[in-house]
Amino acid sequence: QSALTQPPSASGSPGQSVTISCTGTSSDVGAYDYVSWYQQHPGKAPKVMIYEVSKRPSGVPDRFSGSKSGNTASLTVSGLQAEDEADYYCSAYAGSNNVFGTGTKVTVL
Amino acid sequence: QVQLVESGGGVVQPGRSLRLSCAASGFTFTTYNVHWVRQAPGKGLEWVAVISYDGRNQYYAEAVKGRFTISRDNSKNTLYLQMNSLRAEDTALYYCAREISIFGLIPDAFDVWGQGTMVTVSS
Repeated sequence: QSALTQPPSASGSPGQSVTISCTGTSSDVGAYDYVSWYQQHPGKAPKVMIYEVSKRPSGVPDRFSGSKSGNTASLTVSGLQAEDEADYYCSAYAGSNNVFGTGTKVTVL
Repeated sequence: QVQLVESGGGVVQPGRSLRLSCAASGFTFTTYNVHWVRQAPGKGLEWVAVISYDGRNQYYAEAVKGRFTISRDNSKNTLYLQMNSLRAEDTALYYCAREISIFGLIPDAFDVWGQGTMVTVSS
């Protein structure tokens, strides 16, 4: 099972929006609505930001949103804040197993 | 509070074995599927294995299939990962993680993570 493809980096100024893509196949991202997104700060465990494509867990700001079209899922962070600078990973169910994305480092300029 | 605490990591020679543990507290362990996820130094996340809430079903990543065994003891609220025939490429921080929904039929997102335990495979 190959890792999902994410851009290595993305950036934006405070207040701007940034969108991260996550490209898989018709066997994972395209097959099920079980795509999730994680934020990871250096030295910390990942934190779920979005699950089941577009649902936000309790406590996650509504600046974070998710969507999916075909084999590509996306995470949008609106109104960028300094604390949003982190690594972001997507994950998808792929039929009896899960697969993570390659990761995207988001920099707040 | 809801918590997962991993232990058992260390330095081990290639070909040897190691068993990781993950102690759960603050929630009803018996109702959640739980996973192992690893992260090599400076690299991304890699899913390793999952075990269903009742222990009846286990699934593995191709990279560890046949070498690693996931298990759980619901009477002790503890998850395990038995790692045999270890290789240098198994060097990573190993996290245990809880699924977001109870009695999950399809592996969903992970909403609770431990702090990780480091496994280093080196001669």
